[in-house]
Amino acid sequence: QKEVEQDPGPLSVPEGAIVSLNCTYSNSAFQYFMWYRQYSRKGPELLMYTYSSGNKEDGRFTAQVDKSSKYISLFIRDSQPSDSATYLCAMKSSGGSNYKLTFGKGTLLTVNP
Amino acid sequence: GAVVSQHPSWVICKSGTSVKIECRSLDFQATTMFWYRQFPKQSLMLMATSNEGSKATYEQGVEKDKFLINHASLTLSTLTVTSAHPEDSSFYICSAGSGTGTGEQYFGPGTRLTVT
Repeated sequence: QKEVEQDPGPLSVPEGAIVSLNCTYSNSAFQYFMWYRQYSRKGPELLMYTYSSGNKEDGRFTAQVDKSSKYISLFIRDSQPSDSATYLCAMKSSGGSNYKLTFGKGTLLTVNP
Repeated sequence: GAVVSQHPSWVICKSGTSVKIECRSLDFQATTMFWYRQFPKQSLMLMATSNEGSKATYEQGVEKDKFLINHASLTLSTLTVTSAHPEDSSFYICSAGSGTGTGEQYFGPGTRLTVT
């Protein structure tokens, strides 16, 4: 079993839809969770960073963490064509900046106008 | 916000030559930087962890003599691909830890290497 599982999609939705992206993990040591957005041939861009169970909202994005179920989600409201990208979940066991991330495979999202 | 740059953004080299890629943290100091490679439609694969002033830590299966990493200052790490071969063609991305208590990592824009 891989440490982090993420459905690679692809996921295609109409503009304005609510998008739900998910990852599950098996390592109980993971305490810090991130979502990155990566456009084609670009570096990943940090969208959300959470370290406690519950919800964190930033504009149209909401990150949700359920440590008891080892399950994290990213919701995108009112999705836009510009949201079309690959979304990567990532996690690590410690908050220190020298701790490496473990990534999911990424979900390719297309928002159709 | 934290900005990480990479240079060059794209490079073509001949088989057998060496290529150096620079990674800079522009507005913060990074004691730790990470180097990844990414093949088309795949996730990022960590190659090594670069620590300022000390040797890099390589992931299993990554040849340290082929992928030379130097982290000479708190804002600069370099990756040199030595004796490059076509199979080294890939997208190389660096990231840097912000150094704050929660240690967010910020990524550079990536370098596309093509070895002919």
